[in-house]
Amino acid sequence: GENVEQHPSTLSVQEGDSAVIKCTYSDSASNYFPWYKQELGKRPQLIIDIRSNVGEKKDQRIAVTLNKTAKHFSLHITETQPEDSAVYFCAASLAGNQFYFGTGTSLTVIP
Amino acid sequence: ETGVTQSPTHLIKTRGQQVTLRCSSQSGHNTVSWYQQALGQGPQFIFQYYREEENGRGNFPPRFSGLQFPNYSSELNVNALELDDSALYLCASSFLAAGWETQYFGPGTRLLVL
Repeated sequence: GENVEQHPSTLSVQEGDSAVIKCTYSDSASNYFPWYKQELGKRPQLIIDIRSNVGEKKDQRIAVTLNKTAKHFSLHITETQPEDSAVYFCAASLAGNQFYFGTGTSLTVIP
Repeated sequence: ETGVTQSPTHLIKTRGQQVTLRCSSQSGHNTVSWYQQALGQGPQFIFQYYREEENGRGNFPPRFSGLQFPNYSSELNVNALELDDSALYLCASSFLAAGWETQYFGPGTRLLVL
């Protein structure tokens, strides 16, 4: 089955700096890659997703890039703010069926 | 916030007991997936239901079972509870059609097995 690895496990940045989280996947058939943000005690919330026919997608301060050849995708957050502090999960799936999640990155934005 | 709801929010059971967790999917969605999230880990896929049929299953034993009803709500049943079953159980709903469907999570049920 699919295996998703996520790095780093923890990340601290100064407010205003950029944060980058990287994930790799093993199954070349995976074609959908969402990113979720989970605040303490709350549900995972979708922040951005990318499909395999697209190399990059941006939504305000958040962007995701996908390299199908290397089988990795990354989340980029620019101009970080304290409210960006949370755990971020990447996931990979085939046609929206079974989602395989990474182990999470705990992001801390220091004011 | 999504329209996905789950009940109960918290539950305490003892080892060997059985538990039923419930999920109401977002309006217009026809698919429900269940995940187990242990503390400090990412969600692990249990199974998915599409139009009342199981549509994929993760690496969980048969004592984890489920149902989906005609209104697309769903139940997760766990028999013979073990201490390691203590976790946050999340359901996620989506509209399965041509593929690439986004899943929206409910708030979860936190289960503690003593």
